Amino acid sequence: GQQLNQSPQSMFIQEGEDVSMNCTSSSIFNTWLWYKQDPGEGPVLLIALYKAGELTSNGRLTAQFGITRKDSFLNISASIPSDVGIYFCAERSNSGYALNFGKGTSLLVTP
Amino acid sequence: NAGVTQTPKFQVLKTGQSMTLQCAQDMNHEYMSWYRQDPGMGLRLIHYSVGAGITDQGEVPNGYNVSRSTTEDFPLRLLSAAPSQTSVYFCASSGKGSNYGYTFGSGTRLTVV
Repeated sequence: GQQLNQSPQSMFIQEGEDVSMNCTSSSIFNTWLWYKQDPGEGPVLLIALYKAGELTSNGRLTAQFGITRKDSFLNISASIPSDVGIYFCAERSNSGYALNFGKGTSLLVTP
Repeated sequence: NAGVTQTPKFQVLKTGQSMTLQCAQDMNHEYMSWYRQDPGMGLRLIHYSVGAGITDQGEVPNGYNVSRSTTEDFPLRLLSAAPSQTSVYFCASSGKGSNYGYTFGSGTRLTVV
């Protein structure tokens, strides 16, 4: 699949801070998905984006589908300890048959 | 509503042994897929299926076989396990069409010694 470049690789922040992570690609995508993986569990869908420029929120999480359709970002406001985990961006291939994932951003939050 | 169920949760195999990782979903989803997760590598697609009787290879298919005899089940077979197959394996399913995210199982942690 197409390579998704996700950054940063890891983040170590204090509770209450805001967090931003992003994902870029050299290819144009039709769908951007953001997943969170808790330790020992499978990824869980946080936000799905379907249109260029789309800005979508889910509680303290906000994600945007870039205008060029080659990037997306995820923001977490006022982080709390339960935000700890690995966050993945993913694109649903044009065929829709499966997902292509970035390598993930590992988030640690200290109280 | 169980979602996607994977069994077993943990497995240790000796090199050369065979086994089947089970995956079942109760959401009547057409699409199912298998991924492996290795440290720092994200999730990589092994095989996928778009419906009963139809399967295809993903990014890292070597050493794995799949079949899809029913909509609900999508087992992953390791014919002759190798240490390089030590990984965490996730099964996922989705409805047909682009307006669906994938639902993941909780994973099978496999160690090959």
